[in-house]
Amino acid sequence: ETGVTQTPRHLVMGMTNKKSLKCEQHLGHNAMYWYKQSAKKPLELMFVYSLEERVENNSVPSRFSPECPNSSHLFLHLHTLQPEDSALYLCASSQDRGGDYEQYFGPGTRLTVT
Amino acid sequence: GESVGLHLPTLSVQEGDNSIINCAYSNSASDYFIWYKQESGKGPQFIIDIRSNMDKRQGQRVTVLLNKTVKHLSLQIAATQPGDSAVYFCAENGAAGNKLTFGGGTRVLVKP
Repeated sequence: ETGVTQTPRHLVMGMTNKKSLKCEQHLGHNAMYWYKQSAKKPLELMFVYSLEERVENNSVPSRFSPECPNSSHLFLHLHTLQPEDSALYLCASSQDRGGDYEQYFGPGTRLTVT
Repeated sequence: GESVGLHLPTLSVQEGDNSIINCAYSNSASDYFIWYKQESGKGPQFIIDIRSNMDKRQGQRVTVLLNKTVKHLSLQIAATQPGDSAVYFCAENGAAGNKLTFGGGTRVLVKP
């Protein structure tokens, strides 16, 4: 195991539902990330949090809302999603220490939007 | 309508042979590169990394080669085993700190 856990592992939701994905890292890292992995595109960075502050938002639609209450937890709140949002959502963490960028990934949440 | 999946290049290799996976990166300012392995149903797992001040780095059964002149990265796996079957991704940092840009991936299939 990588020390990054994600729940739930699988999620099926309708387009009008509201749900949240949770990520927790047990590595003492100071940065966390959300990625989207779909069958049609390479791994896409969605959000970056460093020291609990959002430092990157890669033009992600507002129906995805991240939250980072502390350095160990990261959430992705979902509402009014579209079928094309179905994908594997991966969380990662890293310790930024001036040049060491290795990111540790969780197992992902497989999301299906119906 | 028909959905089209991302076409991954596939490398079929006989068990025991060596594998070479190639990656072309785009940003000449990148100074950090990393290889990940992703097995079915799992998240990407770190294999090996290399900084731009090196051209070769070795790990356990794996070697990464970096050619900055042509912006090319390769991963060599020695004595490939069935457990090496996975999708392999390269990533670069683009000299942008903690933001990695991932390649499309290569699927490795190990034949017994």
